[in-house]
Amino acid sequence: ETGVTQTPRHLVMGMTNKKSLKCEQHLGHNAMYWYKQSAKKPLELMFVYNFKEQTENNSVPSRFSPECPNSSHLFLHLHTLQPEDSALYLCASSDTGDSNQPQHFGDGTRLSIL
Amino acid sequence: GQNIDQPTEMTATEGAIVQINCTYQTSGFNGLFWYQQHAGEAPTFLSYNVLDGLEEKGRFSSFLSRSKGYSYLLLKELQMKDSASYLCARGGTGRRALTFGSGTRLQVQP
Repeated sequence: ETGVTQTPRHLVMGMTNKKSLKCEQHLGHNAMYWYKQSAKKPLELMFVYNFKEQTENNSVPSRFSPECPNSSHLFLHLHTLQPEDSALYLCASSDTGDSNQPQHFGDGTRLSIL
Repeated sequence: GQNIDQPTEMTATEGAIVQINCTYQTSGFNGLFWYQQHAGEAPTFLSYNVLDGLEEKGRFSSFLSRSKGYSYLLLKELQMKDSASYLCARGGTGRRALTFGSGTRLQVQP
């Protein structure tokens, strides 16, 4: 089983829909991350959770709502998204939340907003 | 800011050597990562440098100069499967996550 699993792999939704992205890591890590990857732009950090506690919110609009019920699972709840939110959403995990730890990424969810 | 600069695209020939450069802001520096990302796939960890010098791992090597805010990734004996984006990422003190560059898209040609 792969280290970090994201579902769904692809999602198409209207601007008024509510959906959730799921991430699960099987590496025994304590920190989990959400990133947004748009074409020709750097990976943008969205949220960081360390031992289930949110330690960073990188000025993300409230239409994105993260949830971390335990160290192995991370969700991103989506509501009333905009077309510019179409992107690849990547989840990652690391042993601790320190910036000298390599992060392990999932394959991402490709999100398209109609 | 923590601007990270790397070339947008590079092209190289199978069997050759290519060097991908990355520059970053030096204040609050806590290590430099390189990741490889094939189209439609997850970024995968390649290397981590926190001290000056060259780290070698098989065909891939990574170099760091802390004083110059400079790193490079060296790929030897290029193979077609090395065609991918290579992401430079900077770790900073007082911050619990990485700052990524835009990535360098490498195309290996026969």
